[in-house]
Amino acid sequence: AQSVTQPDARVTVSEGASLQLRCKYSYSGTPYLFWYVQYPRQGLQLLLKYYSGDPVVQGVNGFEAEFSKSNSSFHLRKASVHWSDSAVYFCVLSALTNSAGNKLTFGIGTRVLVRP
Amino acid sequence: GPKVLQIPSHQIIDMGQMVTLNCDPVSNHLYFYWYKQILGQQMEFLVNFYNGKVMEKSKLFKDQFSVERPDGSYFTLKIQPTALEDSAVYFCASSLYGGTYAEQFFGPGTRLTVL
Repeated sequence: AQSVTQPDARVTVSEGASLQLRCKYSYSGTPYLFWYVQYPRQGLQLLLKYYSGDPVVQGVNGFEAEFSKSNSSFHLRKASVHWSDSAVYFCVLSALTNSAGNKLTFGIGTRVLVRP
Repeated sequence: GPKVLQIPSHQIIDMGQMVTLNCDPVSNHLYFYWYKQILGQQMEFLVNFYNGKVMEKSKLFKDQFSVERPDGSYFTLKIQPTALEDSAVYFCASSLYGGTYAEQFFGPGTRLTVL
């Protein structure tokens, strides 16, 4: 069975500061990892994804994430946040299934509040 | 970008009644999904659907649940009868491709309250 842990339920940062959101996963196979963001009253939107290769992946809006197989982690970061980055961020694992489509395993989400 | 719509945004019903949650997926997508999120808990996979059939379902997808997409219209989740523990936010998603790295596009969710 697979699982995703986001240890920080809430993070508050000042505008212009850096941000790091932590994510740990547990999965015996090859993980396919995603970060999604949910803005108020909207659906989840994909920020970035990792399959293989360079462990640092770039996403939209200046976000990047670093995969570490040894630490089973996929942390998200941004060098300088804007007030519009206030949202809930989900770390997500996609695992092989025995069917078509894919089945996602979600972390509980980290709510980010950016103070002006 | 492509959008998934969900109707209604909030539904309140009495226990034992039937409810249908509607999802309008991205128009050319072929794979459809429902997820359930109880307040304060992780979002969890319920079911995926392709080519008119349920491909995989989780333990949360009880016998009272059913899904369909008649004639390429809404992708629906029906619960009959509802129970108190069905209160949650239900998210619909769709993807063009299957496989572990297919991007799923999510709707904003339907908050279901069972009294």
